[in-house]
Parts: sequence; structure tokens; C-alpha cells
Amino acid sequence: GDSVTQMEGPVTLSEEAFLTINCTYTATGYPSLFWYVQYPGEGLQLLLKATKADDKGSNKGFEATYRKETTSFHLEKGSVQVSDSAVYFCALSDGSGGSNYKLTFGKGTLLTVNP
Amino acid sequence: KAGVTQTPRYLIKTRGQQVTLSCSPISGHRSVSWYQQTPGQGLQFLFEYFSETQRNKGNFPGRFSGRQFSNSRSEMNVSTLELGDSALYLCASSRATLAGDVGELFFGEGSRLTVL
Repeated sequence: GDSVTQMEGPVTLSEEAFLTINCTYTATGYPSLFWYVQYPGEGLQLLLKATKADDKGSNKGFEATYRKETTSFHLEKGSVQVSDSAVYFCALSDGSGGSNYKLTFGKGTLLTVNP
Repeated sequence: KAGVTQTPRYLIKTRGQQVTLSCSPISGHRSVSWYQQTPGQGLQFLFEYFSETQRNKGNFPGRFSGRQFSNSRSEMNVSTLELGDSALYLCASSRATLAGDVGELFFGEGSRLTVL
């Protein structure tokens, strides 16, 4: 079955540091890939997505590129802020059952950014 | 625009009881999905409903069931509760289409169930 593996946390960085959170996946076919973020006290929200190989998703300074050859979708940001402190989830959808809303999630990575 | 609303937010039950959780999606959203979140297993897909029909189902026992009403509101039910059912149950809605698209899921804040 499908699976998503993302780097274990927690990750602690200083403000303005470079962020990488690794994510690799196993899936049949050509899944769509997502990063969701959960800020303290809030529900999950979509950060960015990519639907085909070599697509780059970007939002709020975060980027991730869909790499089919390495089955990866690593999240990066050049300069993190304290407000980026949250739990980040990598996820995929393989479109099974005619729906793209059955997501397989990674375990989540807690990011803490210190001033 | 109101977000996804889940009720109740917190509840405590004992083993063997049953529980019903409710989800009101964002107005205009036709797809509702349910996920279970636990520290050990993370986020796991339960089921998805679209236009009152279950479109997808995860690998959970038959004790877990759900339904969707004509106004897109959804409920999930867990019967004969076990200690391992203690979790945060998340509902998510999306605009969706009949043909299926890669859209955004909008999550509620969840219903936290504790089974004693």
C-alpha cells in the first residue's frame, strides 16, 4: 500500500535559518503530493501541493519539488520565522476509488523556531 | 466564511459504549472525509463521502461507520468502543467534483475522544 516517510522531529532552528524537511513516498501510479501544516491550536491547512513530476509547489516562502526519480517531495524554506513554528505533514493521494481526497499522511515533523 | 465545524470537541466514553460525532462542512463543499489521529499511528483515513455516498473507505473495522446527509453534513459512529479508539477525529471538507480533482482539504479542529 501507499506510505509516506518524513524525517523525525522535533526540529529546532534559529530565526532566518534554512529549513529542509525530508519526505519520501511509496505509491502506485502517479500520486499527487501535499504538505499540510498545523499551527498550535488550529486545524490542518494545506501549505502547498504538486500534481505531477517536476512540479514545484510554493506558498509563504516554502517550496517543494515533486521528484519522481527519487520519490521525494522535500519541503524547504530559505529563512524561517518564529511564526513558522508548527507541525508539518507530508501527504499523498493516489486517486484510488475515483477520488483524490483519500490522503496518506506521514507522521508529522514538529518545527520550533527560536528568535 | 465559516470553517469546518465539528461537535462535540471533547468527549469521554467507557468501553463498550458507542459514540456519534458530527461534522458541518464549509458551505458549498460536497465532499467530507474523516481521519483518525493518534500519537502512535498518526493520521489515518477513515472514509470519504460525496453526495451522500461513501466514495472511499480506509482499513478500519466495521465498528466505524459514517453517513452524509443531503445538506452535506456528516456523522461518524463508533460502536462497541475500545480503549484503542481514543484519538482525535478530524473531519475535512472539499469542494470536489463528480469527476474528481486534486483539491484542497479544509480540516476542522477535531473531536477528541477518550475511552476509559
